[in-house]
Amino acid sequence: KAGVTQTPRYLIKTRGQQVTLSCSPISGHRSVSWYQQTPGQGLQFLFEYFSETQRNKGNFPGRFSGRQFSNSRSEMNVSTLELGDSALYLCASSDGGHTDTQYFGPGTRLTVL
Amino acid sequence: GDSVTQMEGPVTLSEEAFLTINCTYTATGYPSLFWYVQYPGEGLQLLLKATKADDKGSNKGFEATYRKETTSFHLEKGSVQVSDSAVYFCALSVDSNYQLIWGAGTKLIIKP
Repeated sequence: KAGVTQTPRYLIKTRGQQVTLSCSPISGHRSVSWYQQTPGQGLQFLFEYFSETQRNKGNFPGRFSGRQFSNSRSEMNVSTLELGDSALYLCASSDGGHTDTQYFGPGTRLTVL
Repeated sequence: GDSVTQMEGPVTLSEEAFLTINCTYTATGYPSLFWYVQYPGEGLQLLLKATKADDKGSNKGFEATYRKETTSFHLEKGSVQVSDSAVYFCALSVDSNYQLIWGAGTKLIIKP
């Protein structure tokens, strides 16, 4: 099976712009989760989708949003970018249960100038 | 709230040394526990997991036992190799929460 893929791998944006990141899960997985990784804050949960429904959301401002399509692919959007949004954004897919392993993509490295 | 505490790094060991990375947790309900590893320049990958008390997860010579009485899930390996150099993350998930809660990560450096 192909692994989790994320596009683009690298992005450079300026403050105030918006950005959309894409994630394609492992075939058959219906759950997609998004995490932000920074040196200062570590790994933080953004949101999780299962069969197009958001089941949980982390403590991020409303500028961070996401969605999941009927084929389980997911996108996350960040509007009005701030310097502090510079991070590695990781997507993970799983079968959706809390005992299930989450499989991670390589991440999208976002740099905000 | 739910949380994971890991020992601070970096941890520097010589090849063939014994490794322990401590991980303790606080959780409501019955969490599942995970160790993930991030090799330099690579993505996160599952190392091992345990889904109920007294379960032992193992993989690539690494082991961790889910200890409910001490709320711990310490990672051990009997003889480390240079190729084990990476950042190790302890994490938990609880039912109805649908997220992984992470420790801060422990950087492991193995010297030949």
